Amino acid sequence: TQLLEQSPQFLSIQEGENLTVYCNSSSVFSSLQWYRQEPGEGPVLLVTVVTGGEVKKLKRLTFQFGDARKDSSLHITAAQPGDTGLYLCAGGERTGANNLFFGTGTRLTVIP
Amino acid sequence: GAVVSQHPSWVICKSGTSVKIECRSLDFQATTMFWYRQFPKQSLMLMATSNEGSKATYEQGVEKDKFLINHASLTLSTLTVTSAHPEDSSFYICSAPEGGYNPYEQYFGPGTRLTVT
Repeated sequence: TQLLEQSPQFLSIQEGENLTVYCNSSSVFSSLQWYRQEPGEGPVLLVTVVTGGEVKKLKRLTFQFGDARKDSSLHITAAQPGDTGLYLCAGGERTGANNLFFGTGTRLTVIP
Repeated sequence: GAVVSQHPSWVICKSGTSVKIECRSLDFQATTMFWYRQFPKQSLMLMATSNEGSKATYEQGVEKDKFLINHASLTLSTLTVTSAHPEDSSFYICSAPEGGYNPYEQYFGPGTRLTVT
């Protein structure tokens, strides 16, 4: 089982602040996804990154895949209460099994 | 995006009984589906990979005789928790890749909350 460590584990910030969530592993992944999950619901895919060094933007969210494809970061600018949720990174390996290894999760709370 | 449904969304059962959870891909076919378990305030743990037309592949530590998986068609996989015990209470989530360019891009069902009393 490949381990994806996320930091911080918990984050509580005021509306309008910026934040960064990190996802680190010792393994190389062929692609990495970020999901957001709200209580009682399944995760919703936010973005997929596949190329080392790749940066993708989704409105106020910026995702980066590390050059070595072992780590990723999610940066949120001017956080809104609607950003509250559990953020999960997940990596896929080149094994052909197509299953994802999920990170430990970051629970974000944005206070109005 | 692709849609995956689960049924039921929540279920309460008595200890010793069996519960079946369905996972359906509504607008695409899925030869592979994945079953996860999530405990409160924790991340998702992969339980097994469901393969249409063949046996499921279970992760280490998951009892295949307790968690029966059947992938009966290209749009349906079922997970049956047999002889359920209170420690089986959890949030069960399935996912499926849409079959596009990236096989790791999975779409998740809304989850099923199982409570065993």
